[in-house]
Amino acid sequence: QKEVEQNSGPLSVPEGAIASLNCTYSDRGSQSFFWYRQYSGKSPELIMSIYSNGDKEDGRFTAQLNKASQYVSLLIRDSQPSDSATYLCAPDRGSTLGRLYFGRGTQLTVWP
Amino acid sequence: DADVTQTPRNRITKTGKRIMLECSQTKGHDRMYWYRQDPGLGLRLIYYSFDVKDINKGEISDGYSVSRQAQAKFSLSLESAIPNQTALYFCATRGGYDTGELFFGEGSRLTVL
Repeated sequence: QKEVEQNSGPLSVPEGAIASLNCTYSDRGSQSFFWYRQYSGKSPELIMSIYSNGDKEDGRFTAQLNKASQYVSLLIRDSQPSDSATYLCAPDRGSTLGRLYFGRGTQLTVWP
Repeated sequence: DADVTQTPRNRITKTGKRIMLECSQTKGHDRMYWYRQDPGLGLRLIYYSFDVKDINKGEISDGYSVSRQAQAKFSLSLESAIPNQTALYFCATRGGYDTGELFFGEGSRLTVL
């Protein structure tokens, strides 16, 4: 059973548009949720974390969490070509478990 | 210098050979991880360690072993490499229990012929 599912992509949006990235997870014990961005040939880097239901905004990025639906999303407003990357969702039980399982990622291309 | 250093960065080997990928970190973190990345499959957890005496299997540990030689060093071994172990391997560390951020090395690209 796959624990983390992301929209398969690739996702292609024009510059200035909103990119919507979705993630569902199976572990109801997940308490923390993370979005990583990975440029081609590079290592992943953390861009957003969210712990409570609702929205969390950070610049052009908004993470949305609905624990009842086991759903987390990432919205990128005013998308830029520099946002072109693969976005990885990672729920976490937190506490002493401390392991992160990642989704397969969604590849985003923002075209000028 | 990078906080998380992996060696070698690239390695080509033959089926049946023993391979070791090494990871060292200067962040002072207790938790260390080895992930494997294949195209279209995201990151899959191989092994993780919370301290020198703690080693745990991840999703795909078969065919791999690890050694935590010190807080700062965590090595991944392939005892007898096979072609489907061709992948990009990442080592990562993690800070406090409330912190989600993983700090990744630059990756080790392994090709098994």
